[in-house]
Amino acid sequence: AQSVAQPEDQVNVAEGNPLTVKCTYSVSGNPYLFWYVQYPNRGLQFLLKYITGDNLVKGSYGFEAEFNKSQTSFHLKKPSALVSDSALYFCAVRDMRPSTTSGTYKYIFGTGTRLKVLA
Amino acid sequence: DVKVTQSSRYLVKRTGEKVFLECVQDMDHENMFWYRQDPGLGLRLIYFSYDVKMKEKGDIPEGYSVSREKKERFSLILESASTNQTSMYLCASSEGGGRAETQYFGPGTRLLVL
Repeated sequence: AQSVAQPEDQVNVAEGNPLTVKCTYSVSGNPYLFWYVQYPNRGLQFLLKYITGDNLVKGSYGFEAEFNKSQTSFHLKKPSALVSDSALYFCAVRDMRPSTTSGTYKYIFGTGTRLKVLA
Repeated sequence: DVKVTQSSRYLVKRTGEKVFLECVQDMDHENMFWYRQDPGLGLRLIYFSYDVKMKEKGDIPEGYSVSREKKERFSLILESASTNQTSMYLCASSEGGGRAETQYFGPGTRLLVL
């Protein structure tokens, strides 16, 4: 079965330092991977996705993610953290097989990593 | 900009009550989803819909039902609310078509069942 794992419940980083939020996946075949961010009392917002091509994907708010097939990872990165980046981050993978009824794909989300950027 | 709205931000209900959560999207998206979000468990899919009046069970459908009478509106129904349904409920929509689709989320409804 497809899955994603976010091994860290919380990541603390000082403002101005680089940040990494980790995600590993387990899928058969080529994965479609996503990162979403959730600010307090808000829904999830899309940050970036990897479908194919360049292993380094750039997204919103200066974030980027590196797809590493050999390590089955898709870590989220930012060169210089801001206090306003403090939020809950979710990694997600598209299920490999669509519904046989509708052809719709489901998405499997990780458990989330809380990022705290300290001033 | 895609907008997904949910009828309530906070809701307090009593055990046994029937609860309706409403979601509306304004981008003519084919697919709509209902998730619940719990600490340490991430997002879990309850139900989704791929067209008007069409629905499929997600991973945790027990105790829930859904309705999609119009393309833009997707309702989640708790037939008889129980305390273990206290959670954050998130609605999402996506275009459909089988691509790697971005999901657009509403702000969430935090439900407390007493």
